[in-house]
Amino acid sequence: SYELTQPLSVSVALGQTARITCGGNNIGSKNVHWYQQKPGQAPVLVIYRDSNRPSGIPERFSGSNSGNTATLTISRAQAGDEADYYCQVWDSSTEVFGTGTKVTVL
Amino acid sequence: EVQLVESGGGLVKPGGSLRLSCAASGFTFSSYSMNWVRQAPGKGLEWVSSISSSSSYIYYADSVKGRFTISRDNAKNSLYLQMNSLRAEDTAVYYCARTQLVAGGMDVWGQGTTVTVSS
Repeated sequence: SYELTQPLSVSVALGQTARITCGGNNIGSKNVHWYQQKPGQAPVLVIYRDSNRPSGIPERFSGSNSGNTATLTISRAQAGDEADYYCQVWDSSTEVFGTGTKVTVL
Repeated sequence: EVQLVESGGGLVKPGGSLRLSCAASGFTFSSYSMNWVRQAPGKGLEWVSSISSSSSYIYYADSVKGRFTISRDNAKNSLYLQMNSLRAEDTAVYYCARTQLVAGGMDVWGQGTTVTVSS
């Protein structure tokens, strides 16, 4: 089965840039979606199809995907960006979620 | 307002059954594929099952195949998950989520309903 690997945690200073990676075999050939989940809340879609932002998601959130790694970038990080982030792809008739990354804003 | 509201969670003994429901409002439910996604306590997101808009295509995670059944009633704007032969490892918050048309990605989520499997 297809696996998506994310770092357990990423720390970023307030106002700086955080990059969250999502590794998978030839993930660059797939559409990658990213979700933000704050404690006690449902996930929120922040990036779809590699690099597209849903309405209402700040431009500070961006995505890229190539080779074996997809990346979610959070620019000018704010305290409100502290959350768990998950990548997700569709592979062989299954939805696959990444292992999740906890982002801490220092 | 686009909304999904889950119900039906609760405490059930191992081997028991439960039926979850998800009521959709604010959008044309019959046009969208729908999903169930769960999250065990302190763990990450786990996809459970998906169903296409007309129920023509249904998919399950290996962990629930043969025990869970997804279904929908477009006339009632409702999504269901019948869960049989429940195990302790099925304990989780269960979310229903809508798949975006064309672009993919789950763009609308419910607030979740909690299922606890314990004797």
